This record gives sequence, structure tokens and C-alpha cells, in this order.
Amino acid sequence: DGGITQSPKYLFRKEGQNVTLSCEQNLNHDAMYWYRQDPGQGLRLIYYSQIVNDFQKGDIAEGYSVSREKKESFPLTVTSAQKNPTAFYLCASSSLGTSGANVLTFGAGSRLTVL
Amino acid sequence: GQQVMQIPQYQHVQEGEDFTTYCNSSTTLSNIQWYKQRPGGHPVFLIQLVKSGEVKKQKRLTFQFGEAKKNSSLHITATQTTDVGTYFCAGDGATNKLIFGTGTLLAVQP
Repeated sequence: DGGITQSPKYLFRKEGQNVTLSCEQNLNHDAMYWYRQDPGQGLRLIYYSQIVNDFQKGDIAEGYSVSREKKESFPLTVTSAQKNPTAFYLCASSSLGTSGANVLTFGAGSRLTVL
Repeated sequence: GQQVMQIPQYQHVQEGEDFTTYCNSSTTLSNIQWYKQRPGGHPVFLIQLVKSGEVKKQKRLTFQFGEAKKNSSLHITATQTTDVGTYFCAGDGATNKLIFGTGTLLAVQP
């Protein structure tokens, strides 16, 4: 089945530690995205990538880093510089068309808790 | 910057009642999408509207895109317990990136 796999589903981290969230897709989508979701809030874009070896900052990129070495993979590192890292992190992908933004397919999410 | 607001933030209805959520953008959108997120789940795409004044239906769900392409609505007729979840609109504006609304949490009491 085609889809997006995020791991781990739950992650606990001590303050000062970096953690990396995995995101893999087998949909052959060109674009991949990372969103952060906090309780009672919408989805905020952290980083996105439209092509291998290239990515752009979203609205809340500070304290995060990404890489796109393969089309299928877009890992997100939450660094110790992120002041409030406890959140639900969602990875998404889409094909790129000529009509602007395309339909997003989301992974099941990773819930990060900083102790 | 571009903002997309949704109202209400929360709605509690009795099963069988209708429900509407409204989405308003600070800028003109080229298209708007709607997503549903079940409790504990992830957003799932419902529909995309592109044309000014466009109306689309999916069974009991009716989606509308405003004439000025700055607002949209989702109306559910005769809600069921399976409709429970958070409904998000997402607009594609000048930045060519999807901006998500704040979402409306729908609770349905049987």
C-alpha cells in the first residue's frame, strides 16, 4: 500500500537533547512537508522540500533542521534550540502540478514530549 | 502575512442537527482545500475548490467557495457520530504554500 510512514509514533526527550523524526513515503511524490500541531491550533509549516537536495523554511523553522537526500525521505531534527518542542509533528507529501498547491497526504504523526 | 481564520473554534451538536464551519482568508486564494482530522488521527483530504462561487457536494457535506475567493464554508446536513473531528480549511495564496486555518472541532452527541 502506498503511503507515508512516520516514526517513532511517541517520543520522550530530555531538555537539551536533539531528536530526529523519520518520514518515508512511497507515493513517488516530489514535495514533502513538516507541520507542527499544538492543542487547539492549526497546522504550522516548519520546512518543505520540492526536490531532492533542496528545502525551504516554513513559518516556524527556528530550532529545526531537515535534509532531503532521497526523494522518499525527509527527516526532521528537533534541536535543543527549539524552546517549546512538545507537540504533534505531521509529515506530508504531495505531487507537484501546475495549479499551485496540491493535495497533501499526511503520515500518522509523531508525538514528542520533552520532560 | 497571509492568515486563514475559521469559526467557530468548537461546535457541539445533537445527532441529526446541521453544522457549518466558516473559513476566511486575509488574501485572495487560488484554491481552497478541506481536511478532516479524527480525534487522535491525522488530517485527511476531503475536497478542493478552485473556481469562484464553486459549490461541491459529498453526500451530506456541502462545500462552497466565495465569489471573491477569500472565504469558504463547509456544511454538514443531519450530523452523525461519525462526523466527529476537527475540520480544517487550507488556502493557497500568493506564497504558493498551503496555509491552514485554525480548525473547527465538531462534537456530536448521540
